Amino acid sequence: SQTIHQWPATLVQPVGSPLSLECTVEGTSNPNLYWYRQAAGRGLQLLFYSVGIGQISSEVPQNLSASRPQDRQFILSSKKLLLSDSGFYLCAWSIVASGTEAFFGQGTRLTVV
Amino acid sequence: GESVGLHLPTLSVQEGDNSIINCAYSNSASDYFIWYKQESGKGPQFIIDIRSNMDKRQGQRVTVLLNKTVKHLSLQIAATQPGDSAVYFCAELLGNTPLVFGKGTRLSVIA
Repeated sequence: SQTIHQWPATLVQPVGSPLSLECTVEGTSNPNLYWYRQAAGRGLQLLFYSVGIGQISSEVPQNLSASRPQDRQFILSSKKLLLSDSGFYLCAWSIVASGTEAFFGQGTRLTVV
Repeated sequence: GESVGLHLPTLSVQEGDNSIINCAYSNSASDYFIWYKQESGKGPQFIIDIRSNMDKRQGQRVTVLLNKTVKHLSLQIAATQPGDSAVYFCAELLGNTPLVFGKGTRLSVIA
């Protein structure tokens, strides 16, 4: 069966510090991978998605970047965090096909102080 | 931006009653719709889905209705239980594009 791992679960970082959140998927090959952010009381905002190694699409220009160094690994990064980067970050995967659901990790609660 | 919107941000229901959560979507070309349940501090979990060639689909205690004429989606939960308390999101999808989510409705079940 397929599983998705996302870590860390919680993170407190000072303004201006770097960020690296990692997500890995097991049990499937060539998945679509996604990073979403969820602000308090809001919906899920798509940040990045990837349809293959090295292929990243950015939905919202901002202080973050994403990379996919391996087929089942998706990394969210920042060189210098801003207060506004605080939020709940969710990684998700789906199979490469039309009309399929996305499966989510447990999320990372990031607080920038 | 968020092209999928929800009519009500919060919904309180008595335990045992039926719940109805509504969603308006904006892209008439969307061909796949999903309802997710998100418990506090966790990632969203799939509840039920429906394709655009259907207008109703039933699961265990849940039913999704799709009205393409008015671009409206609803989730009905029968005999609501305390464990149903969560935030519910609808999401729309067109082809292999990423899911677009609405703001969510918080369902509170009153014992």
